[in-house]
Amino acid sequence: AQSVTQLDSQVPVFEEAPVELRCNYSSSVSVYLFWYVQYPNQGLQLLLKYLSGSTLVKGINGFEAEFNKSQTSFHLRKPSVHISDTAEYFCAVSALDTGRRALTFGSGTRLQVQP
Amino acid sequence: DAMVIQNPRYQVTQFGKPVTLSCSQTLNHNVMYWYQQKSSQAPKLLFHYYDKDFNNEADTPDNFQSRRPNTSFCFLDIRSPGLGDAAMYLCATYNDRGLHEKLFFGSGTQLSVL
Repeated sequence: AQSVTQLDSQVPVFEEAPVELRCNYSSSVSVYLFWYVQYPNQGLQLLLKYLSGSTLVKGINGFEAEFNKSQTSFHLRKPSVHISDTAEYFCAVSALDTGRRALTFGSGTRLQVQP
Repeated sequence: DAMVIQNPRYQVTQFGKPVTLSCSQTLNHNVMYWYQQKSSQAPKLLFHYYDKDFNNEADTPDNFQSRRPNTSFCFLDIRSPGLGDAAMYLCATYNDRGLHEKLFFGSGTQLSVL
């Protein structure tokens, strides 16, 4: 079984400031890692994913994340946020031992960008 | 173009009155999922279809059922909705024979129970 922990339920930040959203996971098997964004009353949109290779992955909207196997972390970063980045962000994992790829989500982090 | 389509966008039902939510996909993906997301919580997997093989999560209430008559369509039936079933229901698809390694989500159906 897998579990995902997002330590911060809310992160307030000023516009143009950098931000880091933290994610730690636990799994007995190898996993793929994902970050999804959810705008109010909408579905989930994939920001980025880590499957293998370089531990630094770049996604859409200027976001990037770094996979750290020893710390079992996959933190999301953006060097300069915009008001439009205000949303809920979910970290998720899926196990490699099955082709069914069901995602296990963290509890989410609400990013609030203030002017 | 929308690839995973959920209808309706908003659904209101009465306590105890059966309701069906629908999901269709144009991607020809073989795996389809239903997630329940309550307010300010993470999406929680209810069940999924791997081809025609139905897989129920252990803690999914018996009140929730699903049908997949063909590759493109999947339905979520709630036999007797309770107030606690009010939530956003998300459908997602995945192609385990493809290269994208990502789930595609619909926009969700927001269910209200009166």
